[in-house]
Amino acid sequence: GENVEQHPSTLSVQEGDSAVIKCTYSDSASNYFPWYKQELGKRPQLIIDIRSNVGEKKDQRIAVTLNKTAKHFSLHITETQPEDSAVYFCAASRGKLIFGQGTELSVKP
Amino acid sequence: ETGVTQTPRHLVMGMTNKKSLKCEQHLGHNAMYWYKQSAKKPLELMFVYSLEERVENNSVPSRFSPECPNSSHLFLHLHTLQPEDSALYLCASSQEISNIRTGAGELFFGEGSRLTVL
Repeated sequence: GENVEQHPSTLSVQEGDSAVIKCTYSDSASNYFPWYKQELGKRPQLIIDIRSNVGEKKDQRIAVTLNKTAKHFSLHITETQPEDSAVYFCAASRGKLIFGQGTELSVKP
Repeated sequence: ETGVTQTPRHLVMGMTNKKSLKCEQHLGHNAMYWYKQSAKKPLELMFVYSLEERVENNSVPSRFSPECPNSSHLFLHLHTLQPEDSALYLCASSQEISNIRTGAGELFFGEGSRLTVL
């Protein structure tokens, strides 16, 4: 079955810096790759997703890139702000969503 | 009330107790899910329901028993739990159940029920 590995598990950046979180997946048939953000004590919420027919997608300060050949995808956050502090989960799917272990991002003012 | 709501938000129970978690979605979705979230581990899918029919049981112990009386409500009945079952239990819904052809769609999560088993 699908396996998703996410790195790093924790990430600390200064406000204004960029943050990058990477995920690899094992099932080459996976065709949907969402990213969820979970603030402390809150529910996970979808922040951006990408399908396998697209290599990159941007939404303001966040972007996701997908390399199907290497089976990895990444989340990029530019100009980080303290409110970006949260746990971020990647997932891969060709039907059932399989989540990565999560990355705890801390943005220091 | 809109979105996905879960009750109770916090639950402490002994190993011999019977309790239930409730989830309600007001989004008109056809699929509902239970996930287990433990510290430092990926979200673990437990059960999937599509139009009140269980379509997936991810090797979950029988001490967890789901119930979906209609497409808006989902329950997780708990009986004879173990301390290692302590976790955040998240309910989610989606427009349709995901499949290999269409891939998955957006999941809308509730805020979770924090369960502590003593």
